Amino acid sequence: DAGVTQSPTHLIKTRGQQVTLRCSPKSGHDTVSWYQQALGQGPQFIFQYYEEEERQRGNFPDRFSGHQFPNYSSELNVNALLLGDSALYLCASSPLSVTNYGYTFGSGTRLTVV
Amino acid sequence: RKEVEQDPGPFNVPEGATVAFNCTYSNSASQSFFWYRQDCRKEPKLLMSVYSSGNEDGRFTAQLNRASQYISLLIRDSKLSDSATYLCVALSGYSTLTFGKGTMLLVSP
Repeated sequence: DAGVTQSPTHLIKTRGQQVTLRCSPKSGHDTVSWYQQALGQGPQFIFQYYEEEERQRGNFPDRFSGHQFPNYSSELNVNALLLGDSALYLCASSPLSVTNYGYTFGSGTRLTVV
Repeated sequence: RKEVEQDPGPFNVPEGATVAFNCTYSNSASQSFFWYRQDCRKEPKLLMSVYSSGNEDGRFTAQLNRASQYISLLIRDSKLSDSATYLCVALSGYSTLTFGKGTMLLVSP
């Protein structure tokens, strides 16, 4: 049973560009959350998707947007990239009726903005 | 004030030592608490949940004090393989996880 799959694994973008990161949740999971982890920091919650809608959002600007598809996979889009957006982007999936044991993290996408 | 605060360390200990990590949280509405382990440049992985009654998993013991809003993790008989960053995590809202910055542990031979 595949866990959470994220793509790409690494990405280098130029300041001002736009990027799309992808996440396929674990089989049986319908909720996808995105986290940003800057170097030396803990992961920070960006937003959560359920039933193709953004259910909750953390303290991130509108440059960060997302989408969930009918098959529960999800995308994270970041516009007008800043150097400070360089980070590890983690996707976590869970069933809606979550206990922590339902959370599964992908291995992340490492984004470098130059 | 950060929602979840931890001493970033690093904690340098010899093999076989006992080491304790502490964490405080500010959101009294947080429902559940956890310790995650993160190896360098890898994703976080659940180590254990934390209960008020205290819980143990092998060499690891976790404790929650809701009155003090304090969480702890004790690692006994440290192994080289325990070297990692330990993240204190609170679950709140629509099942969103709030992470501390993490405490780095380095176990040396």
